[in-house]
Amino acid sequence: AQSVTQPDARVTVSEGASLQLRCKYSYSATPYLFWYVQYPRQGLQLLLKYYSGDPVVQGVNGFEAEFSKSNSSFHLRKASVHWSDSAVYFCAVSENNNAPRFGAGTKLTVKP
Amino acid sequence: GGIITQTPKFLIGQEGQKLTLKCQQNFNHDTMYWYRQDSGKGLRLIYYSITENDLQKGDLSEGYDASREKKSSFSLTVTSAQKNEMAVFLCASSNGQGTGQLYFGEGSKLTVL
Repeated sequence: AQSVTQPDARVTVSEGASLQLRCKYSYSATPYLFWYVQYPRQGLQLLLKYYSGDPVVQGVNGFEAEFSKSNSSFHLRKASVHWSDSAVYFCAVSENNNAPRFGAGTKLTVKP
Repeated sequence: GGIITQTPKFLIGQEGQKLTLKCQQNFNHDTMYWYRQDSGKGLRLIYYSITENDLQKGDLSEGYDASREKKSSFSLTVTSAQKNEMAVFLCASSNGQGTGQLYFGEGSKLTVL
């Protein structure tokens, strides 16, 4: 069955530290891949999107993600986190023009 | 820019009650979606619609009905609310079917007593 897995429900890092949030998917073809962020009491917003080309895609606020076909992964990274990055991050996958399916989310807490 | 408006923001119902959530978008997007968000389970797709009067079942459609009578609006009905149910329902819209960015509303929180 097709699935999107975010193995880390919660991640805590110190301000200024680097960050990686993991996402793995099980789809047969190369799907459309997304990362969304949900800040407290706000709707989900797109961070970045990937379908083809350079496997490293840049997003907003210094975020980037790297696609790996061999690992079926699309991990999100940031070189130096800020306290305002505290939020819930969702990986989403869409294949063959179907509606996107989302992972369970990773709640990021940035300690001052 | 556009906006997704969900009403009501908070909905309290009784067990067995039929409850309806409404969503309006002014992006002029073809595709609209309803997701359910439960803590620890992420977003699960209930229904989506690729055009007016179209309905596509998602992974969690049992217990729900949906209606897309206009391009700009998409409603979701909980056919029989379950006791102690609590969830947030998120409406979204996009250009294209799954390939474009989704724009989300702020959500409707359901509590069933």
